[in-house]
Amino acid sequence: DSGVTQTPKHLITATGQRVTLRCSPRSGDLSVYWYQQSLDQGLQFLIQYYNGEERAKGNILERFSAQQFPDLHSELNLSSLELGDSALYFCASSDQLQETQYFGPGTRLLVL
Amino acid sequence: ILNVEQSPQSLHVQEGDSTNFTCSFPSSNFYALHWYRWETAKSPEALFVMTLNGDEKKKGRISATLNTKEGYSYLYIKGSQPEDSATYLCAFNRFGNEKLTFGTGTRLTIIP
Repeated sequence: DSGVTQTPKHLITATGQRVTLRCSPRSGDLSVYWYQQSLDQGLQFLIQYYNGEERAKGNILERFSAQQFPDLHSELNLSSLELGDSALYFCASSDQLQETQYFGPGTRLLVL
Repeated sequence: ILNVEQSPQSLHVQEGDSTNFTCSFPSSNFYALHWYRWETAKSPEALFVMTLNGDEKKKGRISATLNTKEGYSYLYIKGSQPEDSATYLCAFNRFGNEKLTFGTGTRLTIIP
């Protein structure tokens, strides 16, 4: 158990809908990272927050957005969902910049 | 090399045998190389973080080496056990950039 929690574990929804994925980092970790794992793809970095501020952006679609709240938990919002958005979404946290990232159990999203 | 490449893609090893696999990464502006172990239905688990050329890290039967000048790292597993079956991911980040770029992994299966 890494100490990073993610909810929900599984999510099934329809195209065009909007969902919110939630992540609570390890106690004391200021950095939160979001990754997407699609079929046959490696882990793709989406976005990073550090102490409430956006710090780095990867290949994140405009339909996706994220934020980190004062209590350091983070939410990833996915809107106008398409079939291709079906994937495993991981959140990770670290206590220092550029240090080991600890991964949560992931949220498996299925868009039908 | 522009991205992280791991080889082989998959590997079957007899229980008790030793094995190793490779991670190649861009050597310019290198900051750190990370190895993760990812078991099916679980989240990636951090094994090592290495930053210095010539670094060697060890954790039980698993060890890793790093060559930052030529841009490669090896992961070694001595006396493979069935519980070593997993996908081994490497990732690197550049100096001043917390974003981790992951390879697609080496899927290791230990045959009892």
